[in-house]
Amino acid sequence: SQQGEEDPQALSIQEGENATMNCSYKTSINNLQWYRQNSGRGLVHLILIRSNEREKHSGRLRVTLDTSKKSSSLLITASRAADTASYFCATDAIQGAQKLVFGQGTRLTINP
Amino acid sequence: NAGVTQTPKFQVLKTGQSMTLQCAQDMNHNSMYWYRQDPGMGLRLIYYSASEGTTDKGEVPNGYNVSRLNKREFSLRLESAAPSQTSVYFCASSEALGGYREQYFGPGTRLTVT
Repeated sequence: SQQGEEDPQALSIQEGENATMNCSYKTSINNLQWYRQNSGRGLVHLILIRSNEREKHSGRLRVTLDTSKKSSSLLITASRAADTASYFCATDAIQGAQKLVFGQGTRLTINP
Repeated sequence: NAGVTQTPKFQVLKTGQSMTLQCAQDMNHNSMYWYRQDPGMGLRLIYYSASEGTTDKGEVPNGYNVSRLNKREFSLRLESAAPSQTSVYFCASSEALGGYREQYFGPGTRLTVT
């Protein structure tokens, strides 16, 4: 069974707007990662947030983690056409922490 | 550095045929993984190799076998392909196991079983 579930499944916005994607998970975790997948390509790591962190930034990306709600959000500010991709969260359960479990992904479309 | 490479990029098999998907990484990583991705779903782990000489089952291992040939190479074999194995297959690697380790992915192999 999937550990993480992204919401929404699909998101379409205008270039320049901010995009927010959410990830909920079921069991306690040590780490949560976000990945991007361009159409027809492999996944690319974006950012990692540890369970003792609440917020992390990387360029135009902002990730938050709320362990009490078992949820994370990925915010992309000032979106660009090149941000069009699918975004996946991946978590490691505290038990069996060696492996990542990926969610179903959010498909983001940035309209010019 | 090429990163993670996979061959072939595309493959069409008939039910019952066998094939091996090849994966190689040039980052001197210890751990390697095979995932499958089906439409509308995330990646599901088929098998992984924590280090050279070891392999373990993931979430969906049935119908597959793997070989960690050396530190660089990790192959996935379908002995008798079934239509349910139609999917996109991704190989990945990381320095070691651990949920804090970034995984590096190959470009994928798109497999169709008719």
